[in-house]
Amino acid sequence: AQSVTQPDIHITVSEGASLELRCNYSYGATPYLFWYVQSPGQGLQLLLKYFSGDTLVQGIKGFEAEFKRSQSSFNLRKPSVHWSDAAEYFCAVGAGNNRKLIWGLGTSLAVNP
Amino acid sequence: EAGVAQSPRYKIIEKRQSVAFWCNPISGHATLYWYQQILGQGPKLLIQFQNNGVVDDSQLPKDRFSAERLKGVDSTLKIQPAKLEDSAVYLCASSTRSTGNTEAFFGQGTRLTVV
Repeated sequence: AQSVTQPDIHITVSEGASLELRCNYSYGATPYLFWYVQSPGQGLQLLLKYFSGDTLVQGIKGFEAEFKRSQSSFNLRKPSVHWSDAAEYFCAVGAGNNRKLIWGLGTSLAVNP
Repeated sequence: EAGVAQSPRYKIIEKRQSVAFWCNPISGHATLYWYQQILGQGPKLLIQFQNNGVVDDSQLPKDRFSAERLKGVDSTLKIQPAKLEDSAVYLCASSTRSTGNTEAFFGQGTRLTVV
């Protein structure tokens, strides 16, 4: 069965530090992969997506993610975190004939000043 | 471009009451989704429409939840009767087509509290 695992429930980093949020998926075929961010009281906003081609994907707000097929991973990175990045981050995979989104449980990011 | 509009933003009801949520997708988006997001969890797809037809409602508790998308534009999601475990944020999203290689745009959600 398809699944998405975000191993870190909560992460705290200092402002200016680098960030990596982990995402592992289970899916038999080539996946469509997404990272969404959810700020408090807001809807979900797409950060970036991977469908095919270059395995390093650039997104909005300075985020990037790398698809590693051998590790079934799609980790999200940012070289320097800003206080405004504090939010909930969700990884999702588009699976099945209809490519229904399967979501991870999310990683809550806190940023220390 | 206007985003996905949802109303109300917040709703508090007693268990066994009924409630309805409304969603207006982005103009021209054929696909509309309703998700349930319980605190501390990722979104769970309740129902997906392609125009005014249902594509996937496998996780919709049909004994109490219903949804419609008349004329393939606006949509309403209804719960009747509500249970305590229905307390969640209900998110509406839309995309240009049904396949998963398109971005889904989300509304701000309706936070439902059942007491």
